[in-house]
Amino acid sequence: EVQLLESGGGLVQPGGSLRLSCAASGFTFNNYDMSWVRLAPGKGLEWVSVITSDGGKRYNADSLEGRFTISRDNSRNTLYLQMNSLRAEDTAIYYCAKTLVGLVTFDYWGQGTLVTVSS
Amino acid sequence: DIQMTQSPSSLSAFIGDSVTITCRATQRVYNYLAWFQQKPGKAPKSLIFAISNLHSGVPSRFSGGGSGTDFTLTIYGLQPEDAATYYCQQYHKYPITFGQGTRLEI
Repeated sequence: EVQLLESGGGLVQPGGSLRLSCAASGFTFNNYDMSWVRLAPGKGLEWVSVITSDGGKRYNADSLEGRFTISRDNSRNTLYLQMNSLRAEDTAIYYCAKTLVGLVTFDYWGQGTLVTVSS
Repeated sequence: DIQMTQSPSSLSAFIGDSVTITCRATQRVYNYLAWFQQKPGKAPKSLIFAISNLHSGVPSRFSGGGSGTDFTLTIYGLQPEDAATYYCQQYHKYPITFGQGTRLEI
């Protein structure tokens, strides 16, 4: 059974940093690209970032302005999202998602971790 | 960027009804079109990929169609558990984009 378990969310002040983790199990992690998607209060789903299976390529949403960095450790079956210079508008539930082979769409999702940016 | 526009933004229907949600892209996305369901407080659930392919375990009352820039999600024989927000997503080009969502009330 595929499982994705996010952690690392919490309350952070504007301008602060946070690192999210997503522990994966139930599939061969290093065979799949992985992604982060967020859901802000009162808004719709927003794609954040994707990383290829070997970690060699990464793509971010333009709106992030380079503040977020996706990474992975295939030896630990874990996906990460380093978030810097956080703003109030980054407040959201962050989901990690497993992609279909070779495609940036998703078949499995984690339960999400809440990030709140507030003073 | 490819913008995805869903209509309607919300709708109400009865158990047993059939409903159709439309999704329009600002440029052709070929078959790189997916649909997701999200209930309040829950993770999104993947329904359909490549316009019309159901993910494993998705009931056959869900059906996707369309081509080019115009796509549909139809739910036949609505059930109470279908109350949710539905999103389309294009994955033809970066940045990946979602529609704004359609809230379905049963």
